[in-house]
Amino acid sequence: EPEVTQTPSHQVTQMGQEVILRCVPISNHLYFYWYRQILGQKVEFLVSFYNNEISEKSEIFDDQFSVERPDGSNFTLKIRSTKLEDSAMYFCASSLTGLAYEQYFGPGTRLTVT
Amino acid sequence: DAKTTQPTSMDCAEGRAANLPCNHSTISGNEYVYWYRQIHSQGPQYIIHGLKNNETNEMASLIITEDRKSSTLILPHATLRDTAVYYCIVSRIKAAGNKLTFGGGTRVLVKP
Repeated sequence: EPEVTQTPSHQVTQMGQEVILRCVPISNHLYFYWYRQILGQKVEFLVSFYNNEISEKSEIFDDQFSVERPDGSNFTLKIRSTKLEDSAMYFCASSLTGLAYEQYFGPGTRLTVT
Repeated sequence: DAKTTQPTSMDCAEGRAANLPCNHSTISGNEYVYWYRQIHSQGPQYIIHGLKNNETNEMASLIITEDRKSSTLILPHATLRDTAVYYCIVSRIKAAGNKLTFGGGTRVLVKP
């Protein structure tokens, strides 16, 4: 069964450093998402992406964040200058269409900012 | 998107049906009810969705009341692997992509 993959599984970085989290969505999917979950808290929507454009973003997704689909298979989330409060599990998801009922989530990348 | 209310936690005996309630009294006509679950910090997993009719798939059944103000997810024969946090989400389908707003969910513990 096709699945969303994410790398790395765990990333440790120092405050102020840039990080790039990578995702490979399911191959025929067209809509891509990033969510995050701070330890012990709710899963929060960050951004949705379609046709090489952001279609919706949350208040969390400020100028420090950016997303890109650099090629036909990868979808990345960049945090320009990490803060301690960016420590969280980051989940990538994809769906076949924008109207699709089901989003497929990856296993997540645990980001630890020290 | 409408807000949902779920019990914080519940226990269930292995092999028995688990009935998970969700209140969404402010749901509007074009909003769907979705259920996802999250097993021990893994990525959320889609279970089922519905608009107004009851739905069943290989994982679960979804019963939506006639006024659509509440719903129940039924896991017919709970197994230990069903231990997870279950999220009831109400959202409109949008062509631009479907943002999911997760609440606190119900932590379900299936006991032997």
